[in-house]
Amino acid sequence: GAVVSQHPSRVICKSGTSVKIECRSLDFQATTMFWYRQFPKQSLMLMATSNEGSKATYEQGVEKDKFLINHASLTLSTLTVTSAHPEDSSFYICSARGTLEKLFFGSGTQLSVL
Amino acid sequence: GQQVMQIPQYQHVQEGEDFTTYCNSSTTLSNIQWYKQRPGGHPVFLIQLVKSGEVKKQKRLTFQFGEAKKNSSLHITATQTTDVGTYFCAGDSSNTGKLIFGQGTTLQVKP
Repeated sequence: GAVVSQHPSRVICKSGTSVKIECRSLDFQATTMFWYRQFPKQSLMLMATSNEGSKATYEQGVEKDKFLINHASLTLSTLTVTSAHPEDSSFYICSARGTLEKLFFGSGTQLSVL
Repeated sequence: GQQVMQIPQYQHVQEGEDFTTYCNSSTTLSNIQWYKQRPGGHPVFLIQLVKSGEVKKQKRLTFQFGEAKKNSSLHITATQTTDVGTYFCAGDSSNTGKLIFGQGTTLQVKP
């Protein structure tokens, strides 16, 4: 079946640094990718929709200058958390949608900002 | 904006008892999906419902999509300890893959 690889699975960084998270569709072309954030014991909150070759569409309340999304190819989208702070600590997860309209999730990235 | 409400938030059952979680959307959905997440893990796709009134079964799990395509339920018959986890419904109102997740129902099963 289709696989979405998300890397890294876990990252610990100092406050003020930037962290890049990659989401790759391994055996299909993902025209659209979605980025979610999940705080402990809470649901997944959609952050942004990423379409290949165009600017991402951010959900209300999500700072686009803080969470930079790049979808430069049909198999790769990246989320960069810029100048991370402890309140950005969360589980970030991507999903990718292929031409068959099925949706596949990555395994998630646990970000801890010290 | 679109909201998806899910109840209950928590459910503790004795092994062998049944379990149901309910999902209600503020808008008509194109499709609804169900996911299971174990502690520390990522959501795992269970099923997608598309048609009005659709009912699908996976062994002990029964999924229903309401006639108005605004609500859904997941019913587990005779729960087992392996059913433990958080079950999320997620609604897609525009068939774009943009999912709005419910709050999730965390199921605990006592052996």
